[in-house]
Amino acid sequence: QKEVEQNSGPLSVPEGAIASLNCTYSDRVSQSFFWYRQYSGKSPELIMSIYSNGDKEDGRFTAQLNKASQYVSLLIRDSQPSDSATYLCAVNVEDSNYQLIWGAGTKLIIKP
Amino acid sequence: KAGVTQTPRYLIKTRGQQVTLSCSPISGHRSVSWYQQTPGQGLQFLFEYFSETQRNKGNFPGRFSGRQFSNSRSEMNVSTLELGDSALYLCASSLESAAQYFGPGTRLTVL
Repeated sequence: QKEVEQNSGPLSVPEGAIASLNCTYSDRVSQSFFWYRQYSGKSPELIMSIYSNGDKEDGRFTAQLNKASQYVSLLIRDSQPSDSATYLCAVNVEDSNYQLIWGAGTKLIIKP
Repeated sequence: KAGVTQTPRYLIKTRGQQVTLSCSPISGHRSVSWYQQTPGQGLQFLFEYFSETQRNKGNFPGRFSGRQFSNSRSEMNVSTLELGDSALYLCASSLESAAQYFGPGTRLTVL
């Protein structure tokens, strides 16, 4: 059973601080990794994709991938109240017909 | 490019009825996936279609079915609706093995 694990939270972070969201996955052949943000009552929105080991930065967001440890994380710098949402991690598994496997999401609360 | 569109946005049905939801993917995307999401829950995968063929299927009963047309538009059908089918139904499109892009969803209420 291929799994993606996330801490459900809620994770509470003061405004202006760094929010760190973590995701572990069970399948070693996973190739593509995605972070989505979902506001309450809305559909998920892609915020980051990462395909190789290391860091990828996009504005205030940094995704970090460590395939040896089967670990992917999302850092949000200078957290804003508008970052309060549920963050979903998704992993693409090539040997499962490219099906995306989803974590249950981490609820992030940024406190003003 | 236009995003993923879903119709209708809201739907109210009664138990025992059936419902059809529609999804138009981003132009050029051949993969369409469907998800069910209930309040406070994660995404529950229903099925994925690629080039008119069901490529992946989740653990939902046979009352849930879908299809994809030659223009990549997709429909899902739920027959004999139950109260527990009340949920947000999300459609997502993608290029093969790439990121998925979601539509706004159809909120189904079963009374």
